[in-house]
Amino acid sequence: DTEVTQTPKHLVMGMTNKKSLKCEQHMGHRAMYWYKQKAKKPPELMFVYSYEKLSINESVPSRFSPECPNSSLLNLHLHALQPEDSALYLCASSEVVTGFYGYTFGSGTRLTVV
Amino acid sequence: QQQVKQSPQSLIVQKGGISIINCAYENTAFDYFPWYQQFPGKGPALLIAIRPDVSEKKEGRFTISFNKSAKQFSLHIMDSQPGDSATYFCAAIYTGNQFYFGTGTSLTVIP
Repeated sequence: DTEVTQTPKHLVMGMTNKKSLKCEQHMGHRAMYWYKQKAKKPPELMFVYSYEKLSINESVPSRFSPECPNSSLLNLHLHALQPEDSALYLCASSEVVTGFYGYTFGSGTRLTVV
Repeated sequence: QQQVKQSPQSLIVQKGGISIINCAYENTAFDYFPWYQQFPGKGPALLIAIRPDVSEKKEGRFTISFNKSAKQFSLHIMDSQPGDSATYFCAAIYTGNQFYFGTGTSLTVIP
């Protein structure tokens, strides 16, 4: 299995909703990442987990809350989002943090905040 | 500060032509240079990558040329096909430390 699987693929949520994004990989990678990507822009790093511990938080607003329940799973909990948070949210993994062979990305969750 | 500069922002090539995308970097600590291909609604997928001790790497129609002294590297797509139409991101990695994307190039291959 060489994939990173993200669910759901699409999500529409109101500004008062609470929702979660899920990411799963079974490649034995010990580093996992959340990225946010706006149209026609490169992905922007949000969070890095290394060996299931949060190692980098790129000054992301607290309405985004990551969680790493185990080495294969990564969640992103969303609460009280703003319309400007609408974007493609990408999960990625690598053997170790900034591993030598780069990252494997999932297909993303297209989030729309209304 | 943009760690990896990429050009052009967009590129239109005729089918069968050569697509060339260029990237430049400043930090000599970077030790891995991947290229990612991204189709609309999908995540970036690793296309080809090179290490700085190699000047060229070829995989099928895709070639990376690397100029260490100039701190530049480029992606060449030979015999470009409409199916190659996508956004391409170069990247630079400082292993165990940082990962930087270029700004992206939108490639359109006209039939």
